[in-house]
Amino acid sequence: IQVTQSPSSLSASVGDRVTITCRASQDIRNYLAWYQQKPGRAPTLLVYAASNLQSGVPSRFSGSGSGTHFTLTISSLQPDDFATYYCQQVNGYPQTFGQGTKVEIK
Amino acid sequence: EVQLLQSGGGLIQPGGSRRLSCAASGFTFNSYAMSWVRQAPGKGLEWISAISAGGDLAYYADSVKGRFTISKDHSKSTLYLQLNSLTAEDTAVYYCAKDLSAWGQGTLVTVSS
Repeated sequence: IQVTQSPSSLSASVGDRVTITCRASQDIRNYLAWYQQKPGRAPTLLVYAASNLQSGVPSRFSGSGSGTHFTLTISSLQPDDFATYYCQQVNGYPQTFGQGTKVEIK
Repeated sequence: EVQLLQSGGGLIQPGGSRRLSCAASGFTFNSYAMSWVRQAPGKGLEWISAISAGGDLAYYADSVKGRFTISKDHSKSTLYLQLNSLTAEDTAVYYCAKDLSAWGQGTLVTVSS
């Protein structure tokens, strides 16, 4: 299963609403996770099962979608949110990641 | 608290081998599937292998199938990844992970002469 993530990068300002999209090459139901990664660090889980917020993750993050189309939304971008974001399909093996979206400061 | 402590990386010559370790604590190790994910320098994440909770089923990405072997030692609560026939394309930070939510700190494997 291929996962196509877009955009590959974006520039945004603090307070902006940001949306990142992942499309799967076939129906993966809701078997999709979203991660945030900062330079030199391991990824951290933001959202699992497409729309469930991981404990401790700020409520400005939200995930939606099912089947083949998924989105991660940051409702009001904060300084700590400048990072790279990845989606991962976990509908069986092999699992695959999207190509990543780097969120930079405008 | 779940902890995954990795070891075993380093500089390896092309064609060489290395075993990576991931020592787990804070959860019942034999009740969870585990995975390995790698990240080449400046690149994205690549899922490479997973093993079932009981250790009897293993899965691999095509890029490592036949060269890498994943295993679990329940007596030591440790996950392993045996790397064989290494090439420069295997140079990456390797992460172990428990389901989706817990990751090791990563260990750098550099394949170079």
